[in-house]
Amino acid sequence: EVRLVESGGGLVQPGGSLRLSCAASGFTVSNNYMTWVRQAPGKGLEWVSVIYTGGATYYADSVKGRFSISRDNSKNMLYLQMNSLRAEDTAVYYCARGTDSDLWGRGTLVTVSS
Amino acid sequence: QLVLTQSPSASASLGASVNLTCTLSSGHSSYVIAWHQQQPQKGPRYLMKLHSDGSHSNGDGIPDRFSGSSSGTERYLTISSLQSEDEADYYCQTWGTGIWVFGGGTKLTVL
Repeated sequence: EVRLVESGGGLVQPGGSLRLSCAASGFTVSNNYMTWVRQAPGKGLEWVSVIYTGGATYYADSVKGRFSISRDNSKNMLYLQMNSLRAEDTAVYYCARGTDSDLWGRGTLVTVSS
Repeated sequence: QLVLTQSPSASASLGASVNLTCTLSSGHSSYVIAWHQQQPQKGPRYLMKLHSDGSHSNGDGIPDRFSGSSSGTERYLTISSLQSEDEADYYCQTWGTGIWVFGGGTKLTVL
């Protein structure tokens, strides 16, 4: 079965760190552009980061310098390291596949609050 | 700057058809977009990829009731024979070098 499963969300204090994971099955992560997208409560979808097949990475201005996307080809996993978290980072975080996001996970909730 | 604009809301009657519009920013009329559906309390679901010439390819399991078309910087999603489960938020999305962009979403109400 082709699917994506996110994990690693939770409650974290402002200024804290969290690492999200995205487990892929049925396809190879390294052969695809892979993205992280988030959705704050009651808001729309916001692109966060992408990793290209060649390894290049890009970030939305709102997270640049604080978040880092990576992958483990041997485990077929995608990651998002989130540092210096702020209240406005509170959201459900989704991983998605490809330029047109043709496959989505179910998301993991990150809550930044004291 | 690459921007996608959507109307915040739309409504149509059960069994009818509805057109949702996504407008690309000026200078980006050749861009391919994707349409996604998000039902209440669920994650997004990929509907289709839509090209500037109006050709489109639906995702796996997406019925033919969902179709797309294009004109200039406008990209359309048409849903025919509306069903209650079509009540959802619909997002368009595109991409450029190092950037992915989502429209603000359209909330579709089925009357």
